[in-house]
Amino acid sequence: GENVEQHPSTLSVQEGDSAVIKCTYSDSASNYFPWYKQELGKRPQLIIDIRSNVGEKKDQRIAVTLNKTAKHFSLHITETQPEDSAVYFCAASIAGSARQLTFGSGTQLTVLP
Amino acid sequence: NAGVTQTPKFQVLKTGQSMTLQCAQDMNHEYMSWYRQDPGMGLRLIHYSVGAGITDQGEVPNGYNVSRSTTEDFPLRLLSAAPSQTSVYFCASSYRTPGLAGGSSYNEQFFGPGTRLTVL
Repeated sequence: GENVEQHPSTLSVQEGDSAVIKCTYSDSASNYFPWYKQELGKRPQLIIDIRSNVGEKKDQRIAVTLNKTAKHFSLHITETQPEDSAVYFCAASIAGSARQLTFGSGTQLTVLP
Repeated sequence: NAGVTQTPKFQVLKTGQSMTLQCAQDMNHEYMSWYRQDPGMGLRLIHYSVGAGITDQGEVPNGYNVSRSTTEDFPLRLLSAAPSQTSVYFCASSYRTPGLAGGSSYNEQFFGPGTRLTVL
């Protein structure tokens, strides 16, 4: 089955700096790569996703890049703010599989004021 | 719309007890799933369903049962609770769109608020 590895497990940045979280996946058939943000005590919520037919997607301060050849994808957050502090999860979905998402182990992002 | 709802929010069980975690969604989503979340391990799929009457096992199904008698509801049953089942449980739902070559494409998963379960 699919295996998703996520790094780093913790990340601290100064407010205003950029943050990058990286994930690798094992199954080349995966074609859908979402990122979820989970604030303390809350449910995970989708912040951005990308499909394998594009290499990059951007939404305001958040961007995701995908390298299908290397089987890795990354989340980029620019101009970080204290409210960006949360746990971020990447995930991958195998094409045509009803089994849905395999999640990475998460990154605790702390934005220091 | 209420989205995805879960009850209870918190539960404490003794080893060997059984219970059912409830999950309901009002978005008419075909796909529903149960995850458990443990520190440092992300979200692991327990069971999932692609429609009423259809269920299948995920990554960590042992000790859990599910059923899907309606589109809206997807309860998770713990048969005989063990301390290893202490976790936060999330239910999620998703809609399906036609994919390429006759397949299906699943989309954003909407999560419920979670149930924090402690087994003593």
